[in-house]
Amino acid sequence: NFMLTQPHSVSESPGKTVTISCTRSSGSIASNYVQWYQQRPGSSPTTVIYEDNQRPSGVPDRFSGSIDSSSNSASLTISGLKTEDEADYYCQSYDSSNWVFGGGTKLTVL
Amino acid sequence: EVQLVESGGGLVQPGGSLRLSCAASGFTVSSNYMSWVRQAPGKGLEWVSVIYSGGSTYYADSVKGRFTISRHNSKNTLYLQMNSLRAEDTAVYYCARVYGATDWGQGTLVTVSS
Repeated sequence: NFMLTQPHSVSESPGKTVTISCTRSSGSIASNYVQWYQQRPGSSPTTVIYEDNQRPSGVPDRFSGSIDSSSNSASLTISGLKTEDEADYYCQSYDSSNWVFGGGTKLTVL
Repeated sequence: EVQLVESGGGLVQPGGSLRLSCAASGFTVSSNYMSWVRQAPGKGLEWVSVIYSGGSTYYADSVKGRFTISRHNSKNTLYLQMNSLRAEDTAVYYCARVYGATDWGQGTLVTVSS
C-alpha cells in the first residue's frame, strides 16, 4: 500500500498561479492515473482533473494537471486565481482495485 | 443529464444496520464502475467500496466483512448495506460514477451514536 501526501494548506492572491503537489510514498506515480477533486464548503466533490491531465467538460483551462516521475509526484496548477477557486483539493489514485486519497489541501485565495 | 441521488442515511445505534441507496439517471449503473466514498465530519475523503460493470466488488479494510455493495439493474440503483456499525463510520456517504472523470452525488449523512 502507498500514501499520497499533500500540503495541508496553500494561499495565493487573485490573478496569481498556485501549484498543489501530491507525492506518492512508494511505487511509481506513473503506474496509476491521478485524479484531482475540488470540494467547496458544504458541497460535494467535483472532478477538476482526471487521468493525470484531462479536464472534464466545463472545467476551465486555468486548471491543469501533470505528473513528475523524478519527484514521484502529481501536481495541480491553477492559473489566474479567482476567489471562487477557494476550496479543498484532493488528489486520488489507485492501489490495485482500491482508491487512495491524499489528505487534502485547503486553498485560500486572498 | 447524469444525476446521482443518495438516500437512506440517518441516526443508528452502534452495532446497528443501515442500507444506503443511490438512484442514478442519465446512464446505466450496471454498465459503469460505481463507488462509495465517505467523509467524516471535518475530515478528508475516504474510499469505501467499488463495484465494476462485470460485478467484481472490492472494499476498504476498514469496512471489509461489514459492508456490502450491490446494484439493482432494473431500478438503476446502487446500494451499500452497512452492518455492525461503529461510531467511526459516522460520515457523509457519497456515491460516485467513474467513467474517466467522476460524477458525485450530493451525499447522505450517517450518524452512529447511542
